[in-house]
Amino acid sequence: GAGVSQSPSNKVTEKGKDVELRCDPISGHTALYWYRQSLGQGLEFLIYFQGNSAPDKSGLPSDRFSAERTGGSVSTLTIQRTQQEDSAVYLCASSLLGGGARADTQYFGPGTRLTVL
Amino acid sequence: AQSVTQLGSHVSVSEGALVLLRCNYSSSVPPYLFWYVQYPNQGLQLLLKYTSAATLVKGINGFEAEFKKSETSFHLTKPSAHMSDAAEYFCAATFQGAQKLVFGQGTRLTINP
Repeated sequence: GAGVSQSPSNKVTEKGKDVELRCDPISGHTALYWYRQSLGQGLEFLIYFQGNSAPDKSGLPSDRFSAERTGGSVSTLTIQRTQQEDSAVYLCASSLLGGGARADTQYFGPGTRLTVL
Repeated sequence: AQSVTQLGSHVSVSEGALVLLRCNYSSSVPPYLFWYVQYPNQGLQLLLKYTSAATLVKGINGFEAEFKKSETSFHLTKPSAHMSDAAEYFCAATFQGAQKLVFGQGTRLTINP
């Protein structure tokens, strides 16, 4: 079946602009995660959605970052007033169970490479 | 603090040689542990995971890893390297009380012909 898909694959923007990154998880997966991969910071957690529960936003680096998940499926990560340090690859993952099932495999999408000029 | 550490940001081996990538964790309660591989311009693919059922875990592409509580380690091995194994490898963990993956810094594996 189809894996996790993300769009766009590449995004170049100017400093100060807003960007939206999209993630389509695997059908039927209840949990969705966003991570960021950058040269300086490695792979870091941003946010986690589980069903209808309040999301775990503990990894968002600033209030310029926000995310939503509509209808328990598609998610959008929004970065407002982008800065050069936001340049990174943004990875989305989904898992079947979430909700305390820490052994649950997270399946990753190909990522969106964001470049802020 | 709960963390994952990978020793060696770059490892280079000859084709056919043993591959050993090191991973250690820090926590009072053993986490669940994962090894992911990332090929250029691709997402992460799960190689194998430890979920307390068995300490020796076999994964895809001939890789295996052994969980050693006494050493707080989960090293990844493969008996004979192939050129196609060249990639970046990430060790990760989910610690008690959290669903998120905590990643090590990654190890770039190079295979020499």
